[in-house]
Amino acid sequence: EADIYQTPRYLVIGTGKKITLECSQTMGHDKMYWYQQDPGMELHLIHYSYGVNSTEKGDLSSESTVSRIRTEHFPLTLESARPSHTSQYLCASSEVSTYEQYFGPGTRLTVT
Amino acid sequence: QQQVKQSPQSLIVQKGGISIINCAYENTAFDYFPWYQQFPGKGPALLIAIRPDVSEKKEGRFTISFNKSAKQFSLHIMDSQPGDSATYFCAASMNSGYSTLTFGKGTMLLVSP
Repeated sequence: EADIYQTPRYLVIGTGKKITLECSQTMGHDKMYWYQQDPGMELHLIHYSYGVNSTEKGDLSSESTVSRIRTEHFPLTLESARPSHTSQYLCASSEVSTYEQYFGPGTRLTVT
Repeated sequence: QQQVKQSPQSLIVQKGGISIINCAYENTAFDYFPWYQQFPGKGPALLIAIRPDVSEKKEGRFTISFNKSAKQFSLHIMDSQPGDSATYFCAASMNSGYSTLTFGKGTMLLVSP
């Protein structure tokens, strides 16, 4: 079983608040990813990282930002939450030269 | 532009039946085709994957069929069980994993008892 953790699992927050979604993995994987997924819908890649100090934007434009200061940690930040940010956010990781991605359980974010 | 097209969007199968989900891709540079299974409230998990040098891969009740010339691949679930009820995503990648995964839109499978 993959050791990738996301906190919080559920978050309800008001418009305009700054939030940080946490993602940590204990597998030593260099690559990490953030996906946005509406319930039962396709996954949209919003950010990824090849390793420490590396961050890239994904296919879906996002107002969020990420950082990668430590290998095991890949937090996602929304400076000013809006109702349009309401979604599920999934974190994943993989080794650099392999295909398989391991997903965390997700954070379900609701912005009121 | 969607590079991986998945169908059907939803599927209902009776217990013991065969579930079939199809995907088509456009980019001939793709060289890895996984299927992910996602239960409600969970993240997706790798179910089975195939490379284009083989036409079929079987793991238990799950089989991937791959047609390189047609640029299509499909997931077959034999003897479908209620516990298989989940959302299934096909995906594709290239460059030995250095690129990212491109996912299909997902198929919600319900296996009725």
